[in-house]
Amino acid sequence: DTGVSQDPRHKITKRGQNVTFRCDPISEHNRLYWYRQTLGQGPEFLTYFQNEAQLEKSRLLSDRFSAERPKGSFSTLEIQRTEQGDSAMYLCASSRGGGNGYTFGSGTRLTVV
Amino acid sequence: AQKITQTQPGMFVQEKEAVTLDCTYDTSDPSYGLFWYKQPSSGEMIFLIYQGSYDQQNATEGRYSLNFQKARKSANLVISASQLGDSAMYFCAMREVSFGNEKLTFGTGTRLTIIP
Repeated sequence: DTGVSQDPRHKITKRGQNVTFRCDPISEHNRLYWYRQTLGQGPEFLTYFQNEAQLEKSRLLSDRFSAERPKGSFSTLEIQRTEQGDSAMYLCASSRGGGNGYTFGSGTRLTVV
Repeated sequence: AQKITQTQPGMFVQEKEAVTLDCTYDTSDPSYGLFWYKQPSSGEMIFLIYQGSYDQQNATEGRYSLNFQKARKSANLVISASQLGDSAMYFCAMREVSFGNEKLTFGTGTRLTIIP
């Protein structure tokens, strides 16, 4: 069990560029979550996968955001045409479901300049 | 409507003293779970303690305990004998289940600073 890995740790991009983040969950966890955390706030739910199925998306997830989990293992979160308001920490978490075991990654800090 | 409320944006506590971080929640679901996470400046969310809505006893994990008052819908975190390494952001969260899907909803957090 190596924990939840996120890559990259930091990303600086120019406004209008596309960015993609990767999350590798704990291998036996079938549930995967993406959260966004802006400065001074708690994490806000973005989307949730159970295996490869994306079961819930927040209204925060505009059309510029897309997430995939193609084989029920790792997941990617892509932001197209980035805006300054997208600057935030993007956190990934995984769980088995139904219990108390949500494990978070260290996050990807995105800065849009 | 805000489902998790943390009313203390920041707290300063002398080292070795106990500290209580407040959390109230709102749900109509009889089955729910309450969590506390610690977030140091490095950014990772570290799980501290969990309380299920049907648990009869207050949860404890080492120096952490959760003061669960179900009727008042409060789930305060108590840290005994605080240490300098406890300085961090602390988030209360609730597991919500909707149509079989579950997720965590977080409060706005409390920044705890331990003074030597």
